Amino acid sequence: NAGVTQTPKFRVLKTGQSMTLLCAQDMNHEYMYWYRQDPGMGLRLIHYSVGEGTTAKGEVPDGYNVSRLKKQNFLLGLESAAPSQTSVYFCASSSSGGPNNEQFFGPGTRLTVL
Amino acid sequence: DQQVKQNSPSLSVQEGRISILNCDYTNSMFDYFLWYKKYPAEGPTFLISISSIKDKNEDGRFTVFLNKSAKHLSLHIVPSQPGDSAVYFCAASGYTGTASKLTFGTGTRLQVTL
Repeated sequence: NAGVTQTPKFRVLKTGQSMTLLCAQDMNHEYMYWYRQDPGMGLRLIHYSVGEGTTAKGEVPDGYNVSRLKKQNFLLGLESAAPSQTSVYFCASSSSGGPNNEQFFGPGTRLTVL
Repeated sequence: DQQVKQNSPSLSVQEGRISILNCDYTNSMFDYFLWYKKYPAEGPTFLISISSIKDKNEDGRFTVFLNKSAKHLSLHIVPSQPGDSAVYFCAASGYTGTASKLTFGTGTRLQVTL
């Protein structure tokens, strides 16, 4: 039982390049989330999904797109990377969307955009 | 506009003593509060939570106190152990219509010294 895994762990991009971050969970969770963490700031929600085939915007969605084609996977795409997207990205999943629903996090992807 | 604030970026406590981590929030619509613990190069892991209708929740060495009138919560760790050294994030849960979303504070780095 691997929990939540993220690929890749590290990546360096040049401005304007594109890339996709992959999140996978093996807990059969309905809900999945993408966050970014920047120095001096808490984790901020980018996009989330309440089930296979659904996506919704979070707090900071601009410059990102997501897809949830399979229940176990949640992809985060950067179409044209910018230096402001340099951050650590965390994926999380939860079994439901209730208020006390514990979210399980992946180990993170450290992205640098030059 | 930070709705969840952790005003102490760091805290150092001797092993065996009590650690008190504080968190303030501004949105009275938050209905659940959670604490997450994060080690370097790992994702956050859930520690303890409290409903807005309670004022205390205890789990082993960890106790969370909620003061709704002051919009303040605190995490007490007694006794503190070296393995507790980590970054602690306070998070507040608010329902959006499709799911409850977490708003995180900026984190407090706890160092437990021998």
